[in-house]
Amino acid sequence: GAGVSQSPRYKVAKRGQDVALRCDPISGHVSLFWYQQALGQGPEFLTYFQNEAQLDKSGLPSDRFFAERPEGSVSTLKIQRTQQEDSAVYLCASSLVRQSNTGELFFGEGSRLTVL
Amino acid sequence: AQTVTQSQPEMSVQEAETVTLSCTYDTSESNYYLFWYKQPPSRQMILVIRQEAYKQQNATENRFSVNFQKAAKSFSLKISDSQLGDTAMYFCAFMFPNFGNEKLTFGTGTRLTIIP
Repeated sequence: GAGVSQSPRYKVAKRGQDVALRCDPISGHVSLFWYQQALGQGPEFLTYFQNEAQLDKSGLPSDRFFAERPEGSVSTLKIQRTQQEDSAVYLCASSLVRQSNTGELFFGEGSRLTVL
Repeated sequence: AQTVTQSQPEMSVQEAETVTLSCTYDTSESNYYLFWYKQPPSRQMILVIRQEAYKQQNATENRFSVNFQKAAKSFSLKISDSQLGDTAMYFCAFMFPNFGNEKLTFGTGTRLTIIP
C-alpha cells in the first residue's frame, strides 16, 4: 500500500478483555516496529520485527502483550486481559532495512485503545 | 541507555515568525542519529529533519534547520517563517545504529501552536 495502515483506529475494551491491533506496513518494508504512546507522552518502543523474526521485544511491558508477524508482512499486537494502564495509542512503523543508516521510519496513524 | 529531554511542553508563536524548540540527550555513544518528528492531530508521525552525529554541518530542510552541539548534547530545531500547518506536536528522537533495528528513543514532545 501507499502507507502504513493500522486498524482499528479506535478500540474500547472492558477491563479483562483481549484485544488485537493490526498493522499493514508499506509493501516491501522489511523492518516493523510497535510503539506505545500514552497521553501526553512520546512514543515508547515495544517490539521490532525483521521479516517474520521478532528480534527485539525488550519494550513489551508484560507477558500480556504479544506480537506476531507470521508471513513477514502484516503484524498483529495482542493484549490479553487488558488493564486500564494499557490505555494508549499504539503506533506501528516500518522501514527498509537497507536504509538503516537513514533511520527514517514510516508511521501509521495509530490505534487508540481505551480500557474501561 | 539513552535519554531524550524536551523541556518546553508548549510553545506558541505568531505566523511568519521564527521559533526554536529545544532538545537535549544523554548517551555514551559517539556515532548516532538525531531526528525531529512532527505529529499533527491526525497522529501520523512525520519525519521533519535528521542529523548524523559524525557530521559537523547542521542539517537544513527548507524552513527547518537544526543547531547540533555534540559536546553539549543539544539538538534544537528552528522553524523559520512559521505557517499554520506547522501546528503540531514535535518530538526529538535518538537512534543508535544497529543494522536493521532503527529503534528510536523519543522525548516527551513540545506542543507548538502557530497563531494566525
